[in-house]
Amino acid sequence: SQQGEEDPQALSIQEGENATMNCSYKTSINNLQWYRQNSGRGLVHLILIRSNEREKHSGRLRVTLDTSKKSSSLLITASRAADTASYFCATDIRSGSRLTFGEGTQLTVNP
Amino acid sequence: DGGITQSPKYLFRKEGQNVTLSCEQNLNHDAMYWYRQDPGQGLRLIYYSQIVNDFQKGDIAEGYSVSREKKESFPLTVTSAQKNPTAFYLCASTQRASGGTGELFFGEGSRLTVL
Repeated sequence: SQQGEEDPQALSIQEGENATMNCSYKTSINNLQWYRQNSGRGLVHLILIRSNEREKHSGRLRVTLDTSKKSSSLLITASRAADTASYFCATDIRSGSRLTFGEGTQLTVNP
Repeated sequence: DGGITQSPKYLFRKEGQNVTLSCEQNLNHDAMYWYRQDPGQGLRLIYYSQIVNDFQKGDIAEGYSVSREKKESFPLTVTSAQKNPTAFYLCASTQRASGGTGELFFGEGSRLTVL
């Protein structure tokens, strides 16, 4: 089964609203990363948060990590139509040298 | 500009044929990866390589083969043994560092369709 699982699978909001996506994982990690994918394109890295960090910000993005609950959340504030994409979390587990991706959240921001 | 180039972008294959997808990077990264993505799903790891002349199987290596003869190149061959090869294939790279796997840089993908 997947190491990382996103919730919800799909999210539809209006421009200007905030969007929150969640990711849960199973084993201890070195770090957790969030990526964005526009339809039919490659993935683009958004944020990396290490296991000893609890929160990181980048522009309109805010990521939290709770290692006791093995979960992370990605918040996009003041969403724009251009934020419409799929968002994936990826975990770097302690015993590996590779990223394992979840199945993603499809975000639609309506103008 | 530095980046990862995948080719071809679209590829059609008849059943029973082998095809090779190209992945080239000029980022001087040590590690390279191949992922497969099926519609509406996440990425599954096929093969990865941490260093030249060495590679490891990922979660779904059956029916695929790779080589890593040069640092900048990591081609993927989809063999006739792969029963359901129609998918979107993504190549990625990253610089090796202590403390875990860093940010992956992705190519734009190759879409393979079996006719």
